[in-house]
Order: sequence, then structure tokens, then C-alpha cells
Amino acid sequence: GENVEQHPSTLSVQEGDSAVIKCTYSDSASNYFPWYKQELGKRPQLIIDIRSNVGEKKDQRIAVTLNKTAKHFSLHITETQPEDSAVYFCAAEGGSEKLVFGKGTKLTVNP
Amino acid sequence: ETGVTQTPRHLVMGMTNKKSLKCEQHLGHNAMYWYKQSAKKPLELMFVYNFKEQTENNSVPSRFSPECPNSSHLFLHLHTLQPEDSALYLCASSQTGGQEKLFFGSGTQLSVL
Repeated sequence: GENVEQHPSTLSVQEGDSAVIKCTYSDSASNYFPWYKQELGKRPQLIIDIRSNVGEKKDQRIAVTLNKTAKHFSLHITETQPEDSAVYFCAAEGGSEKLVFGKGTKLTVNP
Repeated sequence: ETGVTQTPRHLVMGMTNKKSLKCEQHLGHNAMYWYKQSAKKPLELMFVYNFKEQTENNSVPSRFSPECPNSSHLFLHLHTLQPEDSALYLCASSQTGGQEKLFFGSGTQLSVL
């Protein structure tokens, strides 16, 4: 079945810097890759997703890139702000339509 | 109220108790899910209901029993739980059963003593 590895587990950046979180997946049939943000004590919320027929997708300060050959995808946050501080989860949906999550990255943006 | 609502927000129960978690979605979605979130572990899918029919039981112990009376409501009945079952239980919904664009509830923080 699908296996998703997420790195780093914690990330600390200064306000205004960029943050990059990387995930790798094992099932070459996976075709859907969402990212969720979970602020402390709150529900996970979808922030961006990408399908395997697209290499990159942007939404304001957030972008996701996908390398199907290498089986990895990344979340890029530019001009980080303190409200970006949260745990970010990647996920991959394999050929069996099962969505498998990574363990999460705790991002801290220092003012 | 909009979105996905879960009750109770917090629950403490003994190993011999029986309790139920409730989830309601006001989004008109056709699929609902139960996830378990434990510290330092990935979100674990427990159950999937698509158009009220259970389509996935991810090897969950029988002490967890789901119920989906209609597309808007989902329950998780708990009995004779173990301390290791303590976790945040999240309900989610999506338009279809493919787990895409999930809307999560705020969860029930469960402690089993």
C-alpha cells in the first residue's frame, strides 16, 4: 500500500522568510496530493491540492510542486507570517483511493 | 450552523463505559469519515460512509462501532475501550467518497482512564 514520508518534523523560520516542506510517496499510481493546515486546537483545513497531471499549483503565497518521476511533492510558503504557524500535513491518494497522510510538520514563524 | 459539527468536544470515560460521538455536516456532502489523530502519528482513517453505506473499515477493533443513519449524521459508538484509544477523533465529510477536499470537524478529545 501507499507510504508517505514527510520532512522535516519541525521547522522554524523568521517572519518574511520562505518555508519548504517535503513529502515522498511510494505508490506510483497515486494521483491526488492535498495539503492540510492544522492550527493549535483547531480542525485540519485543506489549503491546496494538486493532481498528478499538473506539475505546480499556486495560490497567493502558497505553492505545491510535484515530481512524479521522483515521487515527491513539496509545499512552499513565501513571505511567511506568524499566522502561518501550524502543523502541516501532506497526503497522497493511491490507486486504491485510500488517502494516506504524512506525520506532519510543525511550522513556527518567529516575529 | 455551517460546516461539520462534532459533539462532545471533550470526553473522559472509563474502560467499562459506553459512550457515543456525534457528527453532523451541513454541507450537502455524500461521504462522511471517522479519523483518529494520535500524537506523533499520521491521521488514521477508521471508517468511510458513502451515501450512508459503509465502504471502508480500516481494520478497526470492534469496540468502535459506527452508525450512519443518513448522509448528514455520523456516530461512533464506543464500548470497553482501552487507554491506548485515547486520542482526538475527527469527523470529516466530502462531496464524493474519494476522500478529496475533506472538511473536518473540530474533533472529540477522548481520554480513556
